[in-house]
Amino acid sequence: AQRVTQPEKLLSVFKGAPVELKCNYSYSGSPELFWYVQYSRQRLQLLLRHISRESIKGFTADLNKGETSFHLKKPFAQEEDSAMYYCALRSYNTDKLIFGTGTRLQVFP
Amino acid sequence: ETGVTQTPRHLVMGMTNKKSLKCEQHLGHNAMYWYKQSAKKPLELMFVYSLEERVENNSVPSRFSPECPNSSHLFLHLHTLQPEDSALYLCASSQAGLVIFGPGTRLTVL
Repeated sequence: AQRVTQPEKLLSVFKGAPVELKCNYSYSGSPELFWYVQYSRQRLQLLLRHISRESIKGFTADLNKGETSFHLKKPFAQEEDSAMYYCALRSYNTDKLIFGTGTRLQVFP
Repeated sequence: ETGVTQTPRHLVMGMTNKKSLKCEQHLGHNAMYWYKQSAKKPLELMFVYSLEERVENNSVPSRFSPECPNSSHLFLHLHTLQPEDSALYLCASSQAGLVIFGPGTRLTVL
């Protein structure tokens, strides 16, 4: 079965601390993985996708097929990073996105 | 407003009412979606339309009825809803794997 697991509902850190939001997936084929972010009172928006291999707002995520993980990392968290983060998986032959339950990141000053 | 728009942004309705949610995209995308976002559940995919044809219906109750008259517009018709249907309903569109979400309609069923 296709599934995305985000084990942490809430992650709280102080400004300047490293951040890692965990995401594990279950998929039989070659998935495409995404991270979406939802800031307070804003719409859900794409943060990054694994095929782009880019860093957005200082965040990176590497697809680890051996561990079936796609953890989101940032070396130095900022207060403006506080938001809800969703990991998502896309089946290669469909446009369907399967979301995890989300992790709320709180960055304290 | 560019991207994906949704109207209304907020809706309060009784259980016997009939209402419709509207979604519009002018991105040239060929797939459109309805998602439900509740406080205690992950984002739930409700319906998928690809090239105006419904390709997925995730066991959604018949009190929710989608309509896709053309590739730019998507509706969700609501009829005799229950209080547990109160949630944020998100529309999205996609092309080549890139999904763009609308701002959502906050629905409250009394």
